[in-house]
Amino acid sequence: QQQVKQSPQSLIVQKGGISIINCAYENTAFDYFPWYQQFPGKGPALLIAIRPDVSEKKEGRFTISFNKSAKQFSLHIMDSQPGDSATYFCAASIRYDKIIFGKGTRLHILP
Amino acid sequence: EPEVTQTPSHQVTQMGQEVILRCVPISNHLYFYWYRQILGQKVEFLVSFYNNEISEKSEIFDDQFSVERPDGSNFTLKIRSTKLEDSAMYFCASSLIGGYTFGSGTRLTVV
Repeated sequence: QQQVKQSPQSLIVQKGGISIINCAYENTAFDYFPWYQQFPGKGPALLIAIRPDVSEKKEGRFTISFNKSAKQFSLHIMDSQPGDSATYFCAASIRYDKIIFGKGTRLHILP
Repeated sequence: EPEVTQTPSHQVTQMGQEVILRCVPISNHLYFYWYRQILGQKVEFLVSFYNNEISEKSEIFDDQFSVERPDGSNFTLKIRSTKLEDSAMYFCASSLIGGYTFGSGTRLTVV
């Protein structure tokens, strides 16, 4: 119940394309859903986050879509760029407590 | 932008030795965390710390692990008797209310 399931494990997208990463959760007590971006040798960096009372949040080229009834959420990266190549983790937490991470998606944007 | 600082960036230790990983959280943050990431795998919660005591710990955080906030700025993770399987990246994080900030990590290699 504490798991966050993330797919795909790896993703290759052409420059300018849309990258889509999906996550699902079971625990309906989760109330905070962040996405983290991690470059090699660095710690996870908060990219964008959403709470379950909204269905979509957009920040620049990054959009989270949230489906509370399906217990799913996804990250869309529009106009994907080579600099977006990184590992992306979806995550969930309860009342900003410990974060439960998904297994990560290794994204590679082809130039 | 405020940072979470971790030292050392890389530590090599003999199996059975004690190690102390150090972190300087963001100064006005109240919640402190340790996570670990075994190479190529997901980020796993170890322990959370608030008001000078452990607020939650995972099953990974057994008796060989301990945390301390010895003064107003440092937050340390001690592993008493390291095992080969403790080799991982260890990330410190801090938060005020949500909005975690992670450090760049300490790569611990146990030989």
